[in-house]
Amino acid sequence: DSGVTQTPKHLITATGQRVTLRCSPRSGDLSVYWYQQSLDQGLQFLIHYYNGEERAKGNILERFSAQQFPDLHSELNLSSLELGDSALYFCASSVEAGGRTEAFFGQGTRLTVV
Amino acid sequence: TQLLEQSPQFLSIQEGENLTVYCNSSSVFSSLQWYRQEPGEGPVLLVTVVTGGEVKKLKRLTFQFGDARKDSSLHITAAQTGDTGLYLCAGPPPTISNSGYALNFGKGTSLLVTP
Repeated sequence: DSGVTQTPKHLITATGQRVTLRCSPRSGDLSVYWYQQSLDQGLQFLIHYYNGEERAKGNILERFSAQQFPDLHSELNLSSLELGDSALYFCASSVEAGGRTEAFFGQGTRLTVV
Repeated sequence: TQLLEQSPQFLSIQEGENLTVYCNSSSVFSSLQWYRQEPGEGPVLLVTVVTGGEVKKLKRLTFQFGDARKDSSLHITAAQTGDTGLYLCAGPPPTISNSGYALNFGKGTSLLVTP
């Protein structure tokens, strides 16, 4: 158990819909990262939040957004869903020790868009 | 984005065999990490290597960081079925600042160890 909790574990929705994925980081970790994993692209970094503030953006589509709340949990919002958005979505939290980011991953949310 | 190339992409071996998987880049990394991901789970950190030429051992797994800090290898001795999974290497961006940073991952080596 990594200490990172993601809900829901599975999600099936139709094209055009909007969904929200939730992540609770490890106790004490201020950083939350969101990643998308697909078979052909591997693990792609989407966005990073630190203590409630957006810190870095990766390959995140404009249809996607995220936020981190005062209690440090984070939500990833995916809207106008397309078939190609079907993937595993992971969040990770980190201690950011020195110059090394050791990430602890949740179990992921498997999103299927039909 | 620094590209991490992992090889081979797939590997199927029998229990008891030895294997080596590779992680290569044209860029220099301050550190590299190896993760293992099992089906239906998130990646789990195995090791972090920091110093060029560094060798770290984790039971039957041996990790090496290249002298130039551009590549790394993972060697598994006497593989077991429990070693089955996706092995990912990851590294931080070249500039780490208060603007935030995240690990870049290779696409991984999918290892299957059969009895």
